[in-house]
Amino acid sequence: GQQVMQIPQYQHVQEGEDFTTYCNSSTTLSNIQWYKQRPGGHPVFLIQLVKSGEVKKQKRLTFQFGEAKKNSSLHITATQTTDVGTYFCAGSGGSNYKLTFGKGTLLTVNP
Amino acid sequence: GAVVSQHPSRVICKSGTSVKIECRSLDFQATTMFWYRQFPKKSLMLMATSNEGSKATYEQGVEKDKFLINHASLTLSTLTVTSAHPEDSSFYICSALSQGVGEKLFFGSGTQLSVL
Repeated sequence: GQQVMQIPQYQHVQEGEDFTTYCNSSTTLSNIQWYKQRPGGHPVFLIQLVKSGEVKKQKRLTFQFGEAKKNSSLHITATQTTDVGTYFCAGSGGSNYKLTFGKGTLLTVNP
Repeated sequence: GAVVSQHPSRVICKSGTSVKIECRSLDFQATTMFWYRQFPKKSLMLMATSNEGSKATYEQGVEKDKFLINHASLTLSTLTVTSAHPEDSSFYICSALSQGVGEKLFFGSGTQLSVL
């Protein structure tokens, strides 16, 4: 079945440093989504990427979808303490929105 | 934005009892809802796809008689953990598919189940 690998598992940065998490799928995806889960909270939708090579920005967050639609990345510029949480990618191979989640990257930020 | 309400947020029960968890889409209709399970510091694992008016589709390894799903209306899906045991203790979370302009999944706030 479809597998989504996400690295790194953990990342600790100093406030102001950049952060990137990567996802790779074993199969071509129809779309990939990114979620953020704060400690003790539930996943919150950040963005969806659909097109090959797509790049989307949300303030300090930059999301990319690979040309082959098998990998994606989330980059945060100049991290802040409010960025702390686990970032999950989730891919769908079809149009039924049955998502396969990556294991997530736990980001901690030292003020 | 769209809201999905999940209730209860936390439940503690004795081994052998059944627990029902509700997932409601408050301001949109959802023909499709999903149920996930999340172990501590782990990712979300899809348990089943809940389809309004039809039987749920379970993922491999998920016991359908153990985890009963009912999606009787366009705004409500329920997950019943039957004869719960300590190994069923977990964080259960639902999501509902909004099929307005730009399909999106919205998540409930989750239910922490503890079976004693």
